[in-house]
Amino acid sequence: GQQVMQIPQYQHVQEGEDFTTYCNSSTTLSNIQWYKQRPGGHPVFLIQLVKSGEVKKQKRLTFQFGEAKKNSSLHITATQTTDVGTYFCAGPGNYGGATNKLIFGTGTLLAVQP
Amino acid sequence: DAGITQSPRHKVTETGTPVTLRCHQTENHRYMYWYRQDPGHGLRLIHYSYGVKDTDKGEVSDGYSVSRSKTEDFLLTLESATSSQTSVYFCAISESEGAGLYNEQFFGPGTRLTVL
Repeated sequence: GQQVMQIPQYQHVQEGEDFTTYCNSSTTLSNIQWYKQRPGGHPVFLIQLVKSGEVKKQKRLTFQFGEAKKNSSLHITATQTTDVGTYFCAGPGNYGGATNKLIFGTGTLLAVQP
Repeated sequence: DAGITQSPRHKVTETGTPVTLRCHQTENHRYMYWYRQDPGHGLRLIHYSYGVKDTDKGEVSDGYSVSRSKTEDFLLTLESATSSQTSVYFCAISESEGAGLYNEQFFGPGTRLTVL
């Protein structure tokens, strides 16, 4: 079945270091979304990418959608302790022929040491 | 944060008992979703609703049923809880279906369910 995988599952960095998480889909996606979940919290929408090769930035966060629309990445420059949490990618799911629900990736847990 | 509440927030129950989780929204969004979150699996869709009395199955629907009699309420029922259903359950809402543009989902605070 359709799968969305993320690597790494966990990363520990020193504050100020960069961080990247990668998202790979088994199928081509019409769009991809990214969410952040703080420890003990709920997922919060960050951004949506739609176009092949699209790059979007939010302050220190850079999101990229692959040319083939099957992969995506999130890069954080100079991490801060406020970046701690799990980052999920999500793409349209295909259930019984209908593509109107999201499939979430397995998530990457980011730990930042001050 | 969007106006989404879940109740109860925590529940401990025994195997074989029925359990109902409630999701309530004040945003008047058409679409509502139930997910479960387990370590190593991310968020998996259980059921979703695209309108009052209109529901559909997700990725892991076995052992779960849902009902939506009002726009604002979406109920998830475990008819006979099993230990494998121990999880954190999130409700989410959306203004549009998941594959289109402007389809961000807003999540509730979650319900931690333990089945002994």
